[in-house]
Amino acid sequence: GAVVSQHPSRVICKSGTSVKIECRSLDFQATTMFWYRQFPKKSLMLMATSNEGSKATYEQGVEKDKFLINHASLTLSTLTVTSAHPEDSSFYICSARAAERPGGQQYFGPGTRLTVT
Amino acid sequence: SQQGEEDPQALSIQEGENATMNCSYKTSINNLQWYRQNSGRGLVHLILIRSNEREKHSGRLRVTLDTSKKSSSLLITASRAADTASYFCATTAYNNNDMRFGAGTRLTVKP
Repeated sequence: GAVVSQHPSRVICKSGTSVKIECRSLDFQATTMFWYRQFPKKSLMLMATSNEGSKATYEQGVEKDKFLINHASLTLSTLTVTSAHPEDSSFYICSARAAERPGGQQYFGPGTRLTVT
Repeated sequence: SQQGEEDPQALSIQEGENATMNCSYKTSINNLQWYRQNSGRGLVHLILIRSNEREKHSGRLRVTLDTSKKSSSLLITASRAADTASYFCATTAYNNNDMRFGAGTRLTVKP
């Protein structure tokens, strides 16, 4: 099956610093990647949808200047949390959809746990 | 924003019993999927049911979809302690490409 990786799996950073999370589709090309955020014991909330080569579409209430998303290639999307604060601590999950399957199944990464101290 | 609501929010059963979780949604959908998530881990895709399907089976899993009621159910038969996890439904609408998740049901299966 399709594999999506995330790096790092865990990261601890100090308040005010920026953190970059990578999402890679390992064995397929993904024209669309999605970024989700999950608080403890809560569901996944879609943050943004990124299409390769174009600007990401952010969900209402998500600060685009704080959560920078870049989808530079068909296999890589990055989420940068800028000037992180403790309230940004969360589990961030990406997913990728195969280029030839619009509207089809998304493949999820294992998630990245961010802790801001 | 989340699409679906799930009930119950938490379910605790004995090993061997069946577990039923429900999901309701608000808009027309193209398909509905169920996922499993162990605590602090990634998502595991369980099953996808399309809007023109009413029931699907996969091993001990049975999923139903009632588009007239905008609801779906996930039944796990003969539950095992290893089934302990959170279960989420997620919908994909016809006019959207993204997926919206329900609030999830935390299932605990006691050995």
